[in-house]
Amino acid sequence: DGGITQSPKYLFRKEGQNVTLSCEQNLNHDAMYWYRQDPGQGLRLIYYSQIVNDFQKGDIAEGYSVSREKKESFPLTVTSAQKNPTAFYLCASTLGTGLTGELFFGEGSRLTVL
Amino acid sequence: GNSVTQMEGPVTLSEEAFLTINCTYTATGYPSLFWYVQYPGEGLQLLLKATKADDKGSNKGFEATYRKETTSFHLEKGSVQVSDSAVYFCALSAPDSWGKLQFGAGTQVVVTP
Repeated sequence: DGGITQSPKYLFRKEGQNVTLSCEQNLNHDAMYWYRQDPGQGLRLIYYSQIVNDFQKGDIAEGYSVSREKKESFPLTVTSAQKNPTAFYLCASTLGTGLTGELFFGEGSRLTVL
Repeated sequence: GNSVTQMEGPVTLSEEAFLTINCTYTATGYPSLFWYVQYPGEGLQLLLKATKADDKGSNKGFEATYRKETTSFHLEKGSVQVSDSAVYFCALSAPDSWGKLQFGAGTQVVVTP
């Protein structure tokens, strides 16, 4: 079945540690996205990538980094510079330009900083 | 800039009641509008969409009409079920935005038997 797989589902981190969240899609989609979800704030865009080896900052990129070495993969690293990393992280993808913006989402990764 | 405002929750209803979740937007040009649903512990799923004024999106008994004159995209369902309990997000996608969605804060809906 085609879809988006995020891992791990739950992750605990000590302060000062970097962590990497995995996102893999087998939908052959061109564009991929990372959103952060906090209670009562909806979703906010962290980074997005339209093609391999290229990515752009979203609205809240500080303290995060990404890479897009393969079309199907878009990992997100939450660095120690992110001041409040505890959140639910959602990866999404869409086929490409010219469409109406429908996104397909993974099931999310919940990060808790201890 | 673009923004989406939706009614705060939680909205608590009895089974078979009528549901309305208000959503208004601010955008330049002609955005596409979406409703996504998130069940507990899961990612978001597209519920319905509309890409131009007066379009009506519908799915699973839910409906929403793109009203440009009132910049609204209210979600309605005539008879809710317990299984409709979820968080509902209104979102817009501006033209040529490459799928970058602007989301509302979400509205939690709780349906009781």
